[in-house]
Amino acid sequence: EDKVVQSPLSLVVHEGDTVTLNCSYEVTNFRSLLWYKQEKKAPTFLFMLTSSGIEKKSGRLSSILDKKELFSILNITATQTGDSAVYLCAVDYSGGSNYKLTFGKGTLLTVNP
Amino acid sequence: DTGVSQDPRHKITKRGQNVTFRCDPISEHNRLYWYRQTLGQGPEFLTYFQNEAQLEKSRLLSDRFSAERPKGSFSTLEIQRTEQGDSAMYLCASSSKGTQYFGPGTRLLVL
Repeated sequence: EDKVVQSPLSLVVHEGDTVTLNCSYEVTNFRSLLWYKQEKKAPTFLFMLTSSGIEKKSGRLSSILDKKELFSILNITATQTGDSAVYLCAVDYSGGSNYKLTFGKGTLLTVNP
Repeated sequence: DTGVSQDPRHKITKRGQNVTFRCDPISEHNRLYWYRQTLGQGPEFLTYFQNEAQLEKSRLLSDRFSAERPKGSFSTLEIQRTEQGDSAMYLCASSSKGTQYFGPGTRLLVL
């Protein structure tokens, strides 16, 4: 069964729109949730969330975690064509010292001019 | 560039051949991870090193796969007797603790 579920799987918007990407998880021993952006190469790190209700922000991107309801959202305001990518959510629930990540399938965002 | 590097970036091989990939992590990172990603999926964990010790291996890592990190710096991932199902992007990541930083990946195509 999928432990990390992202929705929607794909999304097409116009430049300037605001988007909200969702990530829900069902794990025990939760430690952290991470968001990555993947273009045609390796995932690049966006945010790491460990505490509920504390928004992390970087420019037009922001993210928040709800540990009670077991989900996180990634918001992108005033989207640009350069935001087109797959956005990956990953959860670390491994315990111990290995910090391995379990990823969702990603949301493919396409921003049209 | 002080990020994670991987070599080669692309590899095409025939079924049955052996292939080896290399990963050079960020220099001060003691943790190194290998993941595999297929089309339309997120990366899947394969194995993890802390310094030179391989501390965890996924069930995805069959007997044909072996990984090493002999001096606790770079790592190699070898696939023996490749199969078409091995075609994927192989990603390496490194970290000092929680946040993992990924390399550009090696895209493998097995014909």
